[in-house]
Amino acid sequence: TQLLEQSPQFLSIQEGENLTVYCNSSSVFSSLQWYRQEPGEGPVLLVTVVTGGEVKKLKRLTFQFGDARKDSSLHITAAQPGDTGLYLCAGASGANNLFFGTGTRLTVIP
Amino acid sequence: GAVVSQHPSRVICKSGTSVKIECRSLDFQATTMFWYRQFPKQSLMLMATSNEGSKATYEQGVEKDKFLINHASLTLSTLTVTSAHPEDSSFYICSARVAGGPDTQYFGPGTRLTVL
Repeated sequence: TQLLEQSPQFLSIQEGENLTVYCNSSSVFSSLQWYRQEPGEGPVLLVTVVTGGEVKKLKRLTFQFGDARKDSSLHITAAQPGDTGLYLCAGASGANNLFFGTGTRLTVIP
Repeated sequence: GAVVSQHPSRVICKSGTSVKIECRSLDFQATTMFWYRQFPKQSLMLMATSNEGSKATYEQGVEKDKFLINHASLTLSTLTVTSAHPEDSSFYICSARVAGGPDTQYFGPGTRLTVL
């Protein structure tokens, strides 16, 4: 089993603050995805990163894939209440499987 | 974008009964679908990989006779929880990969199963 540890596990911040979520593993992945999940719903794909060192931006969200393709980070600028949710990273290895991270539950307080 | 649906969204059943959950890819073909289980405030745990036209591959610790998976077409996979018990109550989520596409999986909205 390839373990992906996310930190922090829980994060509660005020609207307008910045934050970074980390996703770390000792394994190398062919690609890494970030998802956001709201209560009672399935995860929604935010981004896929493939190349080591790759940086992708999605409005106020910035995703980075580590050079060695073992870790990733998600940075949110000027967080909004609508960013509240469970953030999951997932690494792809081999033909099919995704290995999900432990999750980061973000609460943005208005 | 790729859309995956699940039915039903919620189901409540009595202990000992069987429940079938459907997972459909609506606008793409999926040779591979995945079934996950998620307990409250936890991450997703892969239960099995469902391959169209062949037997599913189950993760360690998942009983294949209890969680029956059928992937009869390129757009439909079903998970049947047989002889359900209260400990089977959980949020079940399926996902699908685009046939011949990259590793990205697209997730359904989930099914909340409550066994009384």
